[in-house]
Amino acid sequence: GQNIDQPTEMTATEGAIVQINCTYQTSGFNGLFWYQQHAGEAPTFLSYNVLDGLEEKGRFSSFLSRSKGYSYLLLKELQMKDSASYLCAVALYGNKLVFGAGTILRVKS
Amino acid sequence: GAVVSQHPSRVICKSGTSVKIECRSLDFQATTMFWYRQFPKKSLMLMATSNEGSKATYEQGVEKDKFLINHASLTLSTLTVTSAHPEDSSFYICSALRGARDTEAFFGQGTRLTVV
Repeated sequence: GQNIDQPTEMTATEGAIVQINCTYQTSGFNGLFWYQQHAGEAPTFLSYNVLDGLEEKGRFSSFLSRSKGYSYLLLKELQMKDSASYLCAVALYGNKLVFGAGTILRVKS
Repeated sequence: GAVVSQHPSRVICKSGTSVKIECRSLDFQATTMFWYRQFPKKSLMLMATSNEGSKATYEQGVEKDKFLINHASLTLSTLTVTSAHPEDSSFYICSALRGARDTEAFFGQGTRLTVV
C-alpha cells in the first residue's frame, strides 16, 4: 500500500518560518508535490521535487531526500493568508498522485 | 498557464437522481485526467484515472457502476454519480495532465455535491 504521513496541524506566528514535514513509503516514485488548499477550493501547486535537494521559489522552499523517503516544505516570512491546508503528494508511475492527509497551518498575529 | 475548468461548482440533487460533473482542459489537450473525492477536513482520495478513448481505471473500492467516467475527447472528461445517495455528498475534484511525460497536474475548481 501507499503511506504518506504529515502532521495534522501546526500553528505559527506571522513573520516567522515554519517547516512542514512529510514522510512517504510508496510502491513507486515519480516525484513529490506540495499543494496549498484553502477550504472549499481546489489545491494550488506550490512545488515539485524529483531529485534530492532543495528547491527554492520565493518564500517557499521544498526539500527532498529519496533515500530517506522524506520531504519538507519551508515557508518563510509567514503571512496571514498562508493559513491553509498543505498537502504532500507523491506521483507514482503513470503519474497518479497519492496524497497525504494534509497539514492545517494556522498563522496567528 | 494551463487551465482546467470544472462545472458545476455546486450542485444539490435529490436521492436517486444522477448528476454529471464536467472537467475541461481549456488551453491544452489532456491525455489523462484524474477524479478525486475529498471528505471534510480530509485529503484527496483518487477515485479513477481517465484516459481519452479508453475505459477509466478505477481505484480499489470505487464502484464503477456508481461513478461513471467518460473521457470522450482530449479536452473533456465527465463523472456521473448515478442513483445518488446522501453518503455520496462530497467535494469532487478533477485534474489533468498535458502529456504522458507531464508530471504536474492541473486541478479544476472542484464540485460540491449535496444529495438530499
